[in-house]
Amino acid sequence: NAGVTQTPKFQVLKTGQSMTLQCAQDMNHEYMSWYRQDPGMGLRLIHYSVGAGITDQGEVPNGYNVSRSTTEDFPLRLLSAAPSQTSVYFCASRSPTRADTQYFGPGTRLTVL
Amino acid sequence: GENVEQHPSTLSVQEGDSAVIKCTYSDSASNYFPWYKQELGKRPQLIIDIRSNVGEKKDQRIAVTLNKTAKHFSLHITETQPEDSAVYFCAASVGGTSYGKLTFGQGTILTVHP
Repeated sequence: NAGVTQTPKFQVLKTGQSMTLQCAQDMNHEYMSWYRQDPGMGLRLIHYSVGAGITDQGEVPNGYNVSRSTTEDFPLRLLSAAPSQTSVYFCASRSPTRADTQYFGPGTRLTVL
Repeated sequence: GENVEQHPSTLSVQEGDSAVIKCTYSDSASNYFPWYKQELGKRPQLIIDIRSNVGEKKDQRIAVTLNKTAKHFSLHITETQPEDSAVYFCAASVGGTSYGKLTFGQGTILTVHP
């Protein structure tokens, strides 16, 4: 049981490039979400999903797209990277039957030059 | 939407002392309040949580108290140890059967000096 996994661990992009951050969980959790963490600002919700085929926006969705074709995977796409998207990105999942406890992945550190 | 304020932003204590971190929230519908510990370069880890139907919860050296009337909750760490040094985050959400979107505080850097 690997829990929540994320790839890559580190990534450097140039402004305007696109990329996908991968997130997968093997706990059969229906709820998954993406957060970004910036110094002094805690974690902010980007997008979330309550099940396959269902996604919604969080607090800071601009510049990011998501899709949820399977229960296990929840990729985050940056369409045209900007320096303001330099951050650490965490994926999280939770089971609706396990109250509200969220389990975080190890994170992806993204730098946009 | 929900807004969570966390204080202090940094906290320095001597080993064996107690540490208290406080959070306030704005949405009276919030009913789930977790606390996360994040060590440098690692993921946030849940250390304790509380729901609005209780006022206090303890787990060994850590405890959380909740005052729904005043809309604030606090983390108490007793007999602090150097390994307690980390960033601590509070959060709030409207839980239950609908998806509870967690709103986080800004974090508190706790340093425990040996």
